[in-house]
Amino acid sequence: AQRVTQPEKLLSVFKGAPVELKCNYSYSGSPELFWYVQYSRQRLQLLLRHISRESIKGFTADLNKGETSFHLKKPFAQEEDSAMYYCALSVGSGNTGKLIFGQGTTLQVKP
Amino acid sequence: NAGVTQTPKFQVLKTGQSMTLQCAQDMNHNSMYWYRQDPGMGLRLIYYSASEGTTDKGEVPNGYNVSRLNKREFSLRLESAAPSQTSVYFCAGRGAGANVLTFGAGSRLTVL
Repeated sequence: AQRVTQPEKLLSVFKGAPVELKCNYSYSGSPELFWYVQYSRQRLQLLLRHISRESIKGFTADLNKGETSFHLKKPFAQEEDSAMYYCALSVGSGNTGKLIFGQGTTLQVKP
Repeated sequence: NAGVTQTPKFQVLKTGQSMTLQCAQDMNHNSMYWYRQDPGMGLRLIYYSASEGTTDKGEVPNGYNVSRLNKREFSLRLESAAPSQTSVYFCAGRGAGANVLTFGAGSRLTVL
């Protein structure tokens, strides 16, 4: 079955602390994974995708096929990182492809 | 450039009433999607449309219908609303050759 699991509903850290938001997936094909973010009163938007291997706003995520994980990390959290974060898995291909999302993790960065 | 536009932003219905959520995009997206967002459940796919004139069920299609009359518009209809359909609904579009979704601002629906 295709599934994305984010085990933490809420992650609360102090400013400057490291952050790791966990994401595990289940998929029989070759996975393509994403992190989306929803800041307060803003639209859901793409944060990063694993095939780009980029760092956005200091966040990175590495696909670990052996552990079927795609955890999101940042070495030093900032207050403006407070938001809801969703991990997503692309299933299917071409126009018929779709994204399956996890349950979401709220990141709260305290001053 | 509006991107993906949803209407209405807020709606309150009584159980058994019907309504249609509208979604329009001006990004020439081939594929369009309807998700619902519920606390602790994340985003769940209701229906999607890979191209104009086609629609397919997602994870939670029961109680909903959709219509993709043209490339720009993808509507979601609740024929007989139930309290379990109280949620925030998001429309999204995806262009050809890309796996990135562009989301609308959301529509908050309350069914009493």
